Amino acid sequence: AQSVTQPDIHITVSEGASLELRCNYSYGATPYLFWYVQSPGQGLQLLLKYFSGDTLVQGIKGFEAEFKRSQSSFNLRKPSVHWSDAAEYFCVSKGGQNFVFGPGTRLSVLP
Amino acid sequence: GAGVSQSPSNKVTEKGKDVELRCDPISGHTALYWYRQRLGQGLEFLIYFQGNSAPDKSGLPSDRFSAERTGESVSTLTIQRTQQEDSAVYLCASSLLAGGTDTQYFGPGTRLTVL
Repeated sequence: AQSVTQPDIHITVSEGASLELRCNYSYGATPYLFWYVQSPGQGLQLLLKYFSGDTLVQGIKGFEAEFKRSQSSFNLRKPSVHWSDAAEYFCVSKGGQNFVFGPGTRLSVLP
Repeated sequence: GAGVSQSPSNKVTEKGKDVELRCDPISGHTALYWYRQRLGQGLEFLIYFQGNSAPDKSGLPSDRFSAERTGESVSTLTIQRTQQEDSAVYLCASSLLAGGTDTQYFGPGTRLTVL
């Protein structure tokens, strides 16, 4: 069965610091992979997605993610975090018809 | 055009009552998904519609939950005899196609509180 793990439940970083959110997937082949962000009181917004090709994908708001087949990972990165990035981040895989969400990582940003 | 819309935005009901939640997908989107998000948790898949095909109901937690969709338009999620554990945000998403490269667009959700 397909599954997605996000090992970090909560991460706190200082504004301006770099960020990496971890995501590991489990699937028999390479699934399609997504990162979504859910800000307080707002709906889910797609940050970026990976289907094939270049393993480093660029997204909105300065985010990027790197697909590593050998590690079954799709970690999200940002070189310099802004206070407005405080939110819940979900890694998502799609290996068939259904989307499987990870449990989420809550990001707090210190001024 | 408009995004995915859901109504009501908030619903408070008493235990044992039935509730109906509505989702209007983006026009032209053939696939529609319902999810449940309990407080502080990730999204839990409930049901998936693709065009006129039989829906994938594998995520529905009990027979108190049902959903309908007419063609490629509005969908309703019905919860009968609500229980307190049904309290959650119910999210709807639509996508253009059911193929692997499609992207889901989410509605704002309906927050259900069962007293």
